[in-house]
Amino acid sequence: GENVEQHPSTLSVQEGDSAVIKCTYSDSASNYFPWYKQELGKRPQLIIDIRSNVGEKKDQRIAVTLNKTAKHFSLHITETQPEDSAVYFCAATRGSQGNLIFGKGTKLSVKP
Amino acid sequence: SQTIHQWPATLVQPVGSPLSLECTVEGTSNPNLYWYRQAAGRGLQLLFYSVGIGQISSEVPQNLSASRPQDRQFILSSKKLLLSDSGFYLCAWSGTAAYLHFGNGTRLTVT
Repeated sequence: GENVEQHPSTLSVQEGDSAVIKCTYSDSASNYFPWYKQELGKRPQLIIDIRSNVGEKKDQRIAVTLNKTAKHFSLHITETQPEDSAVYFCAATRGSQGNLIFGKGTKLSVKP
Repeated sequence: SQTIHQWPATLVQPVGSPLSLECTVEGTSNPNLYWYRQAAGRGLQLLFYSVGIGQISSEVPQNLSASRPQDRQFILSSKKLLLSDSGFYLCAWSGTAAYLHFGNGTRLTVT
């Protein structure tokens, strides 16, 4: 069935460094790829998303890239700050209009 | 603006007891509604979703059930809780856009 693989499961960086989280998906019909940030004990919140007709999208220190041919997309966080520490989830639609399938999450720790 | 309410925030229940978690959405009509479960340190597991009143799709077989008695109300239930039902339960909605808006979650501990 449809699957989203996310790597790494944990990531530790120094404040100011960049962080990259990668996801691959199996359904070639997937057309929407959001990223969620979940702080401890709180709900996941959308931080950035990209659609299949776009290769890259930026929002200040956060960017997402999509390679449809290879079926992978990545989250890039530059100039990381301690408040970026959280669990990040990638997701992809099941088909072109289906439910979101989530990756297993990446726990990012930013050390001051 | 749209808001999603989920309650209770925390719940401690003994094994074998019933469960009812409620979720309501305001400010939108005919939303898609979802129940997710998140075990400690794990990912988001889709339990149920609904595209309309009385329409429930189950993603995994389990002792939980869901109902949608009104357009913007989604209820997660169990007749007899198991220890393995412990976790963080999240209600979510989506509209014409695909992205999900999550509620604040219910932390359920089955003892």
